[in-house]
Amino acid sequence: GEDVEQSLFLSVREGDSSVINCTYTDSSSTYLYWYKQEPGAGLQLLTYIFSNMDMKQDQRLTVLLNKKDKHLSLRIADTQTGDSAIYFCAESLSGYSTLTFGKGTMLLVSP
Amino acid sequence: NAGVTQTPKFQVLKTGQSMTLQCAQDMNHNSMYWYRQDPGMGLRLIYYSASEGTTDKGEVPNGYNVSRLNKREFSLRLESAAPSQTSVYFCASSSDRLGYEQYFGPGTRLTVT
Repeated sequence: GEDVEQSLFLSVREGDSSVINCTYTDSSSTYLYWYKQEPGAGLQLLTYIFSNMDMKQDQRLTVLLNKKDKHLSLRIADTQTGDSAIYFCAESLSGYSTLTFGKGTMLLVSP
Repeated sequence: NAGVTQTPKFQVLKTGQSMTLQCAQDMNHNSMYWYRQDPGMGLRLIYYSASEGTTDKGEVPNGYNVSRLNKREFSLRLESAAPSQTSVYFCASSSDRLGYEQYFGPGTRLTVT
């Protein structure tokens, strides 16, 4: 069955890099996503990676995908206090119109 | 272009009362979804609609009903609210452009006493 797992909490200092990790179980994933949820708000799509890619860079964000180990990571360079939020990993499967979300990682950035 | 809108933003119900949460999107998306978010449980899919006229159960459909009124609107109804339905409810919509990436509304915070 499908399952997406993430660590629940990460604390970093402002200016450091943050790495949020995610593992998934279904090898037929087509796209993998990172969503950000700020307090009191809905989820916002941050970035995504197609399953035949290994890496995607978008300004301060780097997504790495290891298909063999079914491991996805999100690296945020020069982390700012405004990056404090919950980050969700999600996968989509070919032929399905739903996404499977992890439980989210709360990132706390201290000054 | 408002994206996904939800009403109301907050609601308090007594046990046994009924209510309908409204959701609308203006992105011409085919698929729409209702989730609930509870501490430590992440997002759980209640119902979804892959296209106008169709609805399907998600992970936690018990106690809820949905209506896909037209392509834009997807409502969630609680017929007889229970304290276990205290939660934050999110509506989302998606195209199939990037494997069904979803766009979320701001949420409805519901408390059932």
